[in-house]
Amino acid sequence: GAVVSQHPSRVICKSGTSVKIECRSLDFQATTMFWYRQFPKQSLMLMATSNEGSKATYEQGVEKDKFLINHASLTLSTLTVTSAHPEDSSFYICSAREGTGELFFGEGSRLTVL
Amino acid sequence: QKEVEQDPGPLSVPEGAIVSLNCTYSNSAFQYFMWYRQYSRKGPELLMYTYSSGNKEDGRFTAQVDKSSKYISLFIRDSQPSDSATYLCAMSPGTYKYIFGTGTRLKVLA
Repeated sequence: GAVVSQHPSRVICKSGTSVKIECRSLDFQATTMFWYRQFPKQSLMLMATSNEGSKATYEQGVEKDKFLINHASLTLSTLTVTSAHPEDSSFYICSAREGTGELFFGEGSRLTVL
Repeated sequence: QKEVEQDPGPLSVPEGAIVSLNCTYSNSAFQYFMWYRQYSRKGPELLMYTYSSGNKEDGRFTAQVDKSSKYISLFIRDSQPSDSATYLCAMSPGTYKYIFGTGTRLKVLA
């Protein structure tokens, strides 16, 4: 299957700093990527839909100024958690939609805010 | 009523058993159906992708879709301890919207 690379896999930061997570589709072009948050033993929570060259569409309750999403190319989307606080600590996962409609996920990024 | 219903489990089976995982849905617009396997602290891995009623087989995995009953299944034959994971079903009407089940935790006992 297609490969989606997510980096970093783990990041620890101090409260108040910003963290950027990258999501790359390695062997296909993805006009649409998605960002999720997942709490322990819970299902995926969609945060936003990222479309190449346009503004992301955020789900209700997700602060767009807090979670900045940029989809500058057909293979790269980034999520920046701005002014991170301990409550932002979570597992963040991206996915990319392939042309056939199949959805491929990255390996996830575990964020810990001290 | 949720659009997609999936029993959270946990489901425990002995090694070698046939595992049956299921999801039901209410939206008849769903056309594409997927099954994912997710290990702890990892992203979901796509196992099966189907878009028509009937069966699709890939190795030890068989995906079954019954659109008339709005019911999909994933069968795992000769289950192994390495199959222990959470299995997520997902569905799409063919747009950029994907709805996920809550996931079923499977434990295969050696």
